[in-house]
Amino acid sequence: DSGVTQTPKHLITATGQRVTLRCSPRSGDLSVYWYQQSLDQGLQFLIQYYNGEERAKGNILERFSAQQFPDLHSELNLSSLELGDSALYFCASSPEGWPLANYGYTFGSGTRLTVV
Amino acid sequence: DAKTTQPNSMESNEEEPVHLPCNHSTISGTDYIHWYRQLPSQGPEYVIHGLTSNVNNRMASLAIAEDRKSSTLILHRATLRDAAVYYCILRVEYSGGGADGLTFGKGTHLIIQP
Repeated sequence: DSGVTQTPKHLITATGQRVTLRCSPRSGDLSVYWYQQSLDQGLQFLIQYYNGEERAKGNILERFSAQQFPDLHSELNLSSLELGDSALYFCASSPEGWPLANYGYTFGSGTRLTVV
Repeated sequence: DAKTTQPNSMESNEEEPVHLPCNHSTISGTDYIHWYRQLPSQGPEYVIHGLTSNVNNRMASLAIAEDRKSSTLILHRATLRDAAVYYCILRVEYSGGGADGLTFGKGTHLIIQP
């Protein structure tokens, strides 16, 4: 157990639907990162939150959104789902310190999303 | 963007040392070198990181070239459980504070033969 909890582990849904993925960061970590991993794209950074605020955006589609709540858990919302959105979605957390690059990430075990 | 170059795959025998190379010729002075690995169907796992000096932990050692343009992850005695994709990543510190999200390349697929 890495300390980062993601739910659900598996999700099967139909095209056009909306789903919410949840992530609880490791205790004490203020930053949460979302990644998407598909077979042909590798690990793609989607978005980062720090202490409730959006800090950085990667290759996140407009149909996707995220937020981080006061208790620091985060949710990734995926809407108008397409077959191509089928992938593993990972959440990672990181402590804050200086320099920030001196800190590693802890990843969760992921949510496998299948769109049919 | 600072980038890294790794071999697509490497093969080693069980209980032998493994040296995984990484080139990062465009590294800047404040970029940290991070290594992660990903076992099949699992999330990436932090292995080790360093800035200038060689680093050791319970999982591996990191040897950093004097000019910092390359580094080597060393697994001292590989086991079958070390078979994974290993990613070498530069973590960039911004001058205004904060660091970027990890950018994963394709990594090195390490195969361990029994």
